[in-house]
Amino acid sequence: EPEVTQTPSHQVTQMGQEVILRCVPISNHLYFYWYRQILGQKVEFLVSFYNNEISEKSEIFDDQFSVERPDGSNFTLKIRSTKLEDSAMYFCASGAGFNEQFFGPGTRLTVL
Amino acid sequence: DQQVKQNSPSLSVQEGRISILNCDYTNSMFDYFLWYKKYPAEGPTFLISISSIKDKNEDGRFTVFLNKSAKHLSLHIVPSQPGDSAVYFCAANAYSGAGSYQLTFGKGTKLSVIP
Repeated sequence: EPEVTQTPSHQVTQMGQEVILRCVPISNHLYFYWYRQILGQKVEFLVSFYNNEISEKSEIFDDQFSVERPDGSNFTLKIRSTKLEDSAMYFCASGAGFNEQFFGPGTRLTVL
Repeated sequence: DQQVKQNSPSLSVQEGRISILNCDYTNSMFDYFLWYKKYPAEGPTFLISISSIKDKNEDGRFTVFLNKSAKHLSLHIVPSQPGDSAVYFCAANAYSGAGSYQLTFGKGTKLSVIP
C-alpha cells in the first residue's frame, strides 16, 4: 500500500541554523501539506501546495519557512533560521482531493 | 480559537464494548469531517470521514455520526479492541477556494481499551 515517507525521523539542530525536512508524497496525489504538532498541543496546519505553488498558508508559516517540490517526487519544508519554539513534530500529508489526506510518520525537530 | 473541540482528553472502555468519541465544532463553513488515529511516534492514520450532506457513515467497526444543527459529530467503535488504544483526532475542512483543503484538528482523545 502506498504511503507518505519522511526523512529524517529526528533532526537536532542549533538555534539559528537552517533545516530541510523531506517528504515523498504518494505518487498520484496532487495536494501536499505540512502540519506540525508541538508537544502536548494539537496538530496545526502550516501550508498547502497545489499545482506547483503555495495555495494557502497559516500565520505560523512566516518568512522563515519555505516549501519546494524540486523534482516531482520530493516535497520539502525549509526553516531558514530555526528558533527554540520551532521544536515540534512536523508531518507531511498528501491527498488526491479534498476528502483525503494521508500523513507521513513525521520528523521530530529539536532546536537547541 | 478552538474551532474543533474534543472535550474529553481521555476515555477508558472495556474490550468488546462500544467506544464513543465526541467532537464539537464552531465553524459553520466546515463541510467535511475526518477522524484520525495516532499511535505514539507515528503520523495520524486516516480512519473514516463524512461529508456535511450526510448524517452517518459506516466502515466496519467504525461509524461516524454528524449532527449539523448541533455542530457535533461522534465516532463509534464497536466492538472495541485493545489495538484500538490510541489518540483519536477529529478534523474538519472547509474548501478555501484556493486549491487548499487545510484540516483543522481537535486536541485529541486518548482511548484506552482494557482487555
